[in-house]
Amino acid sequence: EIVMTQSPATLSVSPGERATLSCRASQRISSNLAWYQQKPGQAPRLLIYDASTRATGIPARFSGSGSGTEFTLTISSLQSEDSAVYYCQQCDNWPWTFGRGTKVEIK
Amino acid sequence: QVQLVQSGAEVKKPGASVKVSCKASGYTFPSHYMHWVRQAPGQGLEWMGAINPSGGSTSKAQKFQGRVSMTSDTSTSTVYMDLSGLTYEDTAVYYCARDPTHLTQIPNYYFDYWGQGTLVTVSS
Repeated sequence: EIVMTQSPATLSVSPGERATLSCRASQRISSNLAWYQQKPGQAPRLLIYDASTRATGIPARFSGSGSGTEFTLTISSLQSEDSAVYYCQQCDNWPWTFGRGTKVEIK
Repeated sequence: QVQLVQSGAEVKKPGASVKVSCKASGYTFPSHYMHWVRQAPGQGLEWMGAINPSGGSTSKAQKFQGRVSMTSDTSTSTVYMDLSGLTYEDTAVYYCARDPTHLTQIPNYYFDYWGQGTLVTVSS
Protein backbone atom coordinates (compact mmCIF):
# COMPACT_ATOMS: atom_id res chain seq x y z
CA GLU A 1 0.00 0.00 0.00
CA ILE A 2 1.05 3.60 -0.54
CA VAL A 3 2.56 5.26 2.52
CA MET A 4 1.85 8.96 2.98
CA THR A 5 4.42 10.90 5.01
CA GLN A 6 3.55 14.34 6.36
CA SER A 7 5.94 16.94 7.71
CA PRO A 8 6.42 18.57 10.03
CA ALA A 9 4.45 16.81 12.75
CA THR A 10 3.73 20.15 14.42
CA LEU A 11 3.90 23.65 12.97
CA SER A 12 3.68 26.80 15.07
CA VAL A 13 2.84 29.93 13.09
CA SER A 14 1.93 33.49 14.05
CA PRO A 15 -1.43 34.91 12.95
CA GLY A 16 -1.19 36.44 9.49
CA GLU A 17 1.89 34.43 8.59
CA ARG A 18 2.14 31.69 5.97
CA ALA A 19 1.94 28.02 6.89
CA THR A 20 3.40 25.41 4.56
CA LEU A 21 2.59 21.73 5.09
CA SER A 22 4.20 18.89 3.16
CA CYS A 23 2.98 15.46 2.13
CA ARG A 24 5.03 12.83 0.34
CA ALA A 25 3.73 9.63 -1.28
CA SER A 26 5.82 6.45 -1.36
CA GLN A 27 5.04 6.09 -5.08
CA ARG A 28 3.67 8.35 -7.79
CA ILE A 29 -0.01 9.19 -7.43
CA SER A 30 -0.43 11.79 -10.20
CA SER A 31 -2.67 14.52 -8.74
CA ASN A 32 -4.92 12.14 -6.87
CA LEU A 33 -4.54 13.75 -3.46
CA ALA A 34 -6.93 15.33 -0.98
CA TRP A 35 -6.36 17.46 2.11
CA TYR A 36 -8.59 17.54 5.19
CA GLN A 37 -8.78 19.74 8.26
CA GLN A 38 -9.81 18.25 11.60
CA LYS A 39 -10.52 20.21 14.76
CA PRO A 40 -10.78 18.54 18.18
CA GLY A 41 -13.98 16.58 18.59
CA GLN A 42 -15.03 17.13 14.99
CA ALA A 43 -15.11 15.07 11.84
CA PRO A 44 -12.56 15.88 9.14
CA ARG A 45 -13.52 18.53 6.60
CA LEU A 46 -12.50 18.34 2.94
CA LEU A 47 -10.31 21.29 1.96
CA ILE A 48 -8.62 20.34 -1.31
CA TYR A 49 -9.07 17.58 -3.87
CA ASP A 50 -7.23 16.69 -7.06
CA ALA A 51 -4.18 18.18 -5.32
CA SER A 52 -5.13 21.80 -6.00
CA THR A 53 -8.90 22.27 -6.26
CA ARG A 54 -10.57 23.93 -3.29
CA ALA A 55 -13.73 22.25 -2.04
CA THR A 56 -16.96 24.18 -1.83
CA GLY A 57 -16.89 26.96 0.73
CA ILE A 58 -13.18 26.72 1.50
CA PRO A 59 -11.51 30.15 1.88
CA ALA A 60 -9.04 31.24 -0.79
CA ARG A 61 -6.19 31.39 1.77
CA PHE A 62 -6.02 27.58 1.48
CA SER A 63 -4.19 26.33 -1.59
CA GLY A 64 -2.75 23.02 -2.68
CA SER A 65 0.00 22.17 -5.13
CA GLY A 66 2.14 19.32 -6.35
CA SER A 67 1.91 16.11 -8.33
CA GLY A 68 3.65 12.77 -8.49
CA THR A 69 5.06 12.22 -5.02
CA GLU A 70 5.44 15.70 -3.49
CA PHE A 71 2.52 17.84 -2.37
CA THR A 72 2.05 21.04 -0.39
CA LEU A 73 -0.83 22.66 1.44
CA THR A 74 -0.35 26.38 1.99
CA ILE A 75 -2.34 28.61 4.30
CA SER A 76 -1.40 32.06 3.03
CA SER A 77 -2.38 34.13 6.06
CA LEU A 78 -3.06 32.04 9.14
CA GLN A 79 -6.19 32.80 11.13
CA SER A 80 -6.89 31.68 14.69
CA GLU A 81 -9.63 29.35 13.45
CA ASP A 82 -7.08 27.47 11.33
CA SER A 83 -5.65 25.78 14.41
CA ALA A 84 -6.26 22.10 13.63
CA VAL A 85 -4.69 18.86 12.42
CA TYR A 86 -4.33 18.57 8.65
CA TYR A 87 -4.30 15.22 6.85
CA CYS A 88 -3.40 14.31 3.30
CA GLN A 89 -4.97 11.28 1.60
CA GLN A 90 -4.05 9.53 -1.61
CA CYS A 91 -6.94 8.50 -3.87
CA ASP A 92 -4.90 6.92 -6.61
CA ASN A 93 -4.30 3.37 -5.49
CA TRP A 94 -6.39 0.97 -3.36
CA PRO A 95 -6.40 0.96 -0.39
CA TRP A 96 -6.88 4.69 0.13
CA THR A 97 -4.39 5.85 2.74
CA PHE A 98 -3.85 8.92 4.90
CA GLY A 99 -0.81 10.62 6.32
CA ARG A 100 -0.38 10.84 10.07
CA GLY A 101 -1.23 14.52 10.10
CA THR A 102 0.37 17.89 10.78
CA LYS A 103 -0.83 19.84 13.79
CA VAL A 104 -0.94 23.58 13.14
CA GLU A 105 -0.71 25.73 16.24
CA ILE A 106 -1.13 29.46 16.55
CA LYS A 107 2.00 31.05 17.98
CA GLN B 1 -28.02 20.29 2.60
CA VAL B 2 -26.21 16.99 2.75
CA GLN B 3 -26.25 15.40 6.21
CA LEU B 4 -24.93 12.10 7.50
CA VAL B 5 -26.21 11.23 10.96
CA GLN B 6 -24.68 8.29 12.77
CA SER B 7 -25.87 6.15 15.63
CA GLY B 8 -24.73 6.71 19.19
CA ALA B 9 -21.72 5.54 21.15
CA GLU B 10 -21.29 1.86 21.95
CA VAL B 11 -19.42 -0.10 24.60
CA LYS B 12 -18.64 -3.69 23.71
CA LYS B 13 -16.73 -6.58 25.23
CA PRO B 14 -13.81 -8.23 23.44
CA GLY B 15 -15.02 -10.77 20.92
CA ALA B 16 -18.38 -9.07 20.45
CA SER B 17 -19.73 -7.35 17.33
CA VAL B 18 -20.90 -3.79 16.80
CA LYS B 19 -23.22 -2.33 14.19
CA VAL B 20 -23.02 1.37 13.36
CA SER B 21 -25.62 3.13 11.23
CA CYS B 22 -25.35 6.22 9.04
CA LYS B 23 -28.52 7.91 7.79
CA ALA B 24 -28.14 10.17 4.77
CA SER B 25 -30.28 13.10 3.71
CA GLY B 26 -30.12 16.08 1.39
CA TYR B 27 -29.12 14.17 -1.74
CA THR B 28 -30.14 11.16 -3.83
CA PHE B 29 -28.94 8.45 -1.46
CA PRO B 30 -28.27 5.52 -3.81
CA SER B 31 -26.23 7.65 -6.22
CA HIS B 32 -23.01 7.95 -4.23
CA TYR B 33 -20.61 5.44 -2.73
CA MET B 34 -20.35 5.56 1.06
CA HIS B 35 -17.08 4.90 2.82
CA TRP B 36 -16.19 3.99 6.40
CA VAL B 37 -13.12 5.51 8.05
CA ARG B 38 -11.99 5.03 11.63
CA GLN B 39 -9.75 6.95 14.01
CA ALA B 40 -8.25 5.41 17.13
CA PRO B 41 -7.82 7.77 20.12
CA GLY B 42 -5.14 10.34 19.35
CA GLN B 43 -4.31 8.63 16.06
CA GLY B 44 -4.75 9.23 12.35
CA LEU B 45 -7.41 8.16 9.88
CA GLU B 46 -7.79 4.65 8.50
CA TRP B 47 -9.99 3.69 5.53
CA MET B 48 -11.97 0.54 6.20
CA GLY B 49 -14.16 0.01 3.17
CA ALA B 50 -16.91 1.31 0.92
CA ILE B 51 -20.34 0.30 -0.30
CA ASN B 52 -22.37 1.02 -3.41
CA PRO B 53 -25.72 1.77 -1.73
CA SER B 54 -27.61 0.98 -4.91
CA GLY B 55 -26.32 -2.48 -5.74
CA GLY B 56 -24.80 -3.40 -2.38
CA SER B 57 -21.35 -4.24 -3.73
CA THR B 58 -18.51 -3.53 -1.33
CA SER B 59 -14.75 -3.01 -1.23
CA LYS B 60 -12.88 -3.62 2.00
CA ALA B 61 -9.35 -2.97 3.16
CA GLN B 62 -7.33 -6.17 3.47
CA LYS B 63 -6.95 -5.60 7.21
CA PHE B 64 -10.69 -5.91 7.76
CA GLN B 65 -11.52 -8.69 5.31
CA GLY B 66 -13.62 -11.32 7.03
CA ARG B 67 -14.44 -9.04 9.97
CA VAL B 68 -16.37 -6.15 8.46
CA SER B 69 -19.72 -6.20 6.73
CA MET B 70 -21.34 -3.21 5.06
CA THR B 71 -24.99 -3.06 4.01
CA SER B 72 -27.48 -0.46 2.85
CA ASP B 73 -31.21 0.10 3.11
CA THR B 74 -32.41 2.35 0.33
CA SER B 75 -35.89 2.62 1.86
CA THR B 76 -34.44 4.53 4.83
CA SER B 77 -31.32 6.01 3.13
CA THR B 78 -29.15 4.29 5.70
CA VAL B 79 -25.90 2.38 5.48
CA TYR B 80 -24.60 0.05 8.16
CA MET B 81 -21.15 -1.12 9.16
CA ASP B 82 -20.87 -4.30 11.20
CA LEU B 83 -17.51 -5.16 12.78
CA SER B 84 -17.07 -8.54 14.44
CA GLY B 85 -14.42 -10.12 16.65
CA LEU B 86 -13.74 -6.85 18.47
CA THR B 87 -10.42 -6.37 20.26
CA TYR B 88 -9.15 -3.48 22.37
CA GLU B 89 -7.41 -2.15 19.23
CA ASP B 90 -10.82 -1.57 17.64
CA THR B 91 -11.59 1.20 20.14
CA ALA B 92 -12.01 4.16 17.85
CA VAL B 93 -14.36 6.74 16.38
CA TYR B 94 -15.99 5.33 13.27
CA TYR B 95 -17.06 7.71 10.51
CA CYS B 96 -19.18 7.28 7.43
CA ALA B 97 -18.11 9.57 4.60
CA ARG B 98 -19.60 10.19 1.16
CA ASP B 99 -17.75 9.89 -2.12
CA PRO B 100 -18.67 12.98 -4.17
CA THR B 101 -18.87 11.18 -7.51
CA HIS B 102 -22.14 9.92 -8.97
CA LEU B 103 -22.28 6.16 -9.39
CA THR B 104 -22.42 6.50 -13.17
CA GLN B 105 -18.82 7.71 -13.06
CA ILE B 106 -15.58 6.33 -11.67
CA PRO B 107 -15.43 7.13 -7.95
CA ASN B 108 -12.96 9.75 -6.78
CA TYR B 109 -12.20 7.97 -3.49
CA TYR B 110 -12.01 11.12 -1.44
CA PHE B 111 -14.74 12.22 0.94
CA ASP B 112 -16.78 15.39 0.77
CA TYR B 113 -19.27 14.91 3.61
CA TRP B 114 -18.71 13.09 6.88
CA GLY B 115 -20.94 11.83 9.65
CA GLN B 116 -20.37 13.14 13.16
CA GLY B 117 -18.63 9.92 14.20
CA THR B 118 -19.55 7.04 16.49
CA LEU B 119 -17.27 6.15 19.39
CA VAL B 120 -16.92 2.41 19.85
CA THR B 121 -15.18 1.42 23.07
CA VAL B 122 -14.02 -2.14 23.58
CA SER B 123 -13.70 -2.89 27.26
CA SER B 124 -14.02 -5.89 29.51
